[in-house]
Amino acid sequence: QSALTQPASVSGSPGQSITISCTGTSSDVGSYNLVSWYQQHPGKAPKLMIYEVSKRPSGVSNRFSGSKSGNTASLTISGLQAEDEADYYCCSYAGSSTFDVVFGGGTKLTVL
Amino acid sequence: EVQLVESGGGLVKPGGSLRLSCAASGFTFSNAWMSWVRQAPGKGLEWVGRIKSKTDGGTTDYAAPVKGRFTISRDDSKNTLYLQMNSLKTEDTAVYYCTTDLEVQGVIVTANFDYWGQGTLVTVSS
Repeated sequence: QSALTQPASVSGSPGQSITISCTGTSSDVGSYNLVSWYQQHPGKAPKLMIYEVSKRPSGVSNRFSGSKSGNTASLTISGLQAEDEADYYCCSYAGSSTFDVVFGGGTKLTVL
Repeated sequence: EVQLVESGGGLVKPGGSLRLSCAASGFTFSNAWMSWVRQAPGKGLEWVGRIKSKTDGGTTDYAAPVKGRFTISRDDSKNTLYLQMNSLKTEDTAVYYCTTDLEVQGVIVTANFDYWGQGTLVTVSS
């Protein structure tokens, strides 16, 4: 199973909004509402930010939102803050025949 | 407080074996579906495999690159998850994380990873 496609980097100024895309196929993102997003700061473990495409775990800021259209999922961060600077990964279930779970290659978010 | 603590990483030669452990606390381990996810140095995340709870059959699934070489098991009496890695290759060099599949109101949301350990580094090199 191929990795999901994310932009290598995005940037924005404090207070602005940014969107990170995650493109898969009809076998993964397009077929299941089991897309999740993770934030990872350098040297730290990933943190779940969005699950099931658009749901936020308890404790995650409502500045983070997720959506999906066709084979592409998106993570939007509004009101950018310095602490949002991190790597972001999308992830999707890809079917029970082989139980594949595929991650995106990651996007480095820089807050200018 | 949920804690996942991995151990067992280290330096091993190609073709060698290593067993990782993940000690869990702060939740009902026996009900959890557990996964291993790895991250090669400077690279992205890669799912390794998963084990269901015994209640749900205790079955395992693996990513294609490790299938037949890696084995995931669990000891619910010790609240511990294991990853037995055999026939190691240089491309298996990575930080290995144990994770829990998210549970929402008693329902497992598979392939959505809630809690993560701090990771343990495995280096495969001659």
